[in-house]
Amino acid sequence: AQSVTQLDSHVSVSEGTPVLLRCNYSSSYSPSLFWYVQHPNKGLQLLLKYTSAATLVKGINGFEAEFKKSETSFHLTKPSAHMSDAAEYFCVVSDRRRDFGNEKLTFGTGTRLTIIP
Amino acid sequence: DAGVIQSPRHEVTEMGQEVTLRCKPISGHNSLFWYRQTMMRGLELLIYFNNNVPIDDSGMPEDRFSAKMPNASFSTLKIQPSEPRDSAVYFCASSLSGLAGDSNEQFFGPGTRLTVL
Repeated sequence: AQSVTQLDSHVSVSEGTPVLLRCNYSSSYSPSLFWYVQHPNKGLQLLLKYTSAATLVKGINGFEAEFKKSETSFHLTKPSAHMSDAAEYFCVVSDRRRDFGNEKLTFGTGTRLTIIP
Repeated sequence: DAGVIQSPRHEVTEMGQEVTLRCKPISGHNSLFWYRQTMMRGLELLIYFNNNVPIDDSGMPEDRFSAKMPNASFSTLKIQPSEPRDSAVYFCASSLSGLAGDSNEQFFGPGTRLTVL
């Protein structure tokens, strides 16, 4: 079984300040982890993904996340927030086993990021 | 590739009417997923297919909902009869699952916003 917990339902930061969105996961097997972003009235877009290579993963728009197995965490960070970063962010876990029946993603409940001008 | 294509983008109908949502996955992808997103319940997986075969439909709310995938390039989600509580945004996503892919990354369509009056 796998699950993901996004520790904050809403985060507000000022433009130009760092962003930290927290995510903890639980998985019976070595997981793949993702962060998706959803802008208002839009579909979900992949920001970054961790499969099994480097534990520090860089994504689009200056975001990055670090896989920490000892802490079962995959927090999303960005050094300097931009107004266009205002959106809903979803942490997602998947079973890394690449066989039949393990295609599903388990989504967190989302974190709404607000940027203060 | 044009990405995942969904139609219609918006649908307004009256209670009791049949609604059909359509999805064209990314060419070459072998898994297709239908999700529903509401403010109250967040993002829910309704059903997914692998190689055109339904694998897990445990998220389908009730018998009023049905989904088909007659071929690798087309899927439908039908609601008959529709009810106001079915109002939501319905997303289709596709992925390259199994050993052919490097992860279970899903690519989402823009969604269909359904309003049942």
